[in-house]
Amino acid sequence: GAGVSQSPRYKVAKRGQDVALRCDPISGHVSLFWYQQALGQGPEFLTYFQNEAQLDKSGLPSDRFFAERPEGSVSTLKIQRTQQEDSAVYLCASSLRDRGISGANVLTFGAGSRLTVL
Amino acid sequence: DQQVKQNSPSLSVQEGRISILNCDYTNSMFDYFLWYKKYPAEGPTFLISISSIKDKNEDGRFTVFLNKSAKHLSLHIVPSQPGDSAVYFCAASTNAGKSTFGDGTTLTVKP
Repeated sequence: GAGVSQSPRYKVAKRGQDVALRCDPISGHVSLFWYQQALGQGPEFLTYFQNEAQLDKSGLPSDRFFAERPEGSVSTLKIQRTQQEDSAVYLCASSLRDRGISGANVLTFGAGSRLTVL
Repeated sequence: DQQVKQNSPSLSVQEGRISILNCDYTNSMFDYFLWYKKYPAEGPTFLISISSIKDKNEDGRFTVFLNKSAKHLSLHIVPSQPGDSAVYFCAASTNAGKSTFGDGTTLTVKP
């Protein structure tokens, strides 16, 4: 497709369950980002990939959060033993730009995966 | 400590008038500033950007102004249209790659 695709769009999990959120970036986009957006707030950075390399995971809130992009295209964000505070919209974004290359790093976002933990 | 702040959660303007959305930042290392627009149930979409070495960038009805000494930027929309009603996010990036976002301002343009 032409845009960034995320699935599932909505996920309800019981506390303690594991969840996996998928992101299909725009074909050819080198960089991929995951953001977490709580209600009424802006997107908060979680992690960043350049191709298959995870260059920055400083925003992951705990070791229950894990992200991968094994072949440099599709990425999965996994949350283990979900807690109520994990409830949020998880946004994936991709961009053409490599880190270190000048120019505005314009992100193309997917529609997000809304996670509700009961 | 929030590095990018949008102090007005909401703004309401009349159709045809100017909308001015404001953003403040604290990190002088940011090299680009971007504005994104978000409709309900969709992801943010890019609107306009400005380099830290510029003080103005214009694209149609949208103009972004940057005041580096004040660490302040603003987005002007002239004339405002009902279809501009959305949440607007200010974002700032460094060469390291990631963007830092403000909490957004909800703009309502009344017909």
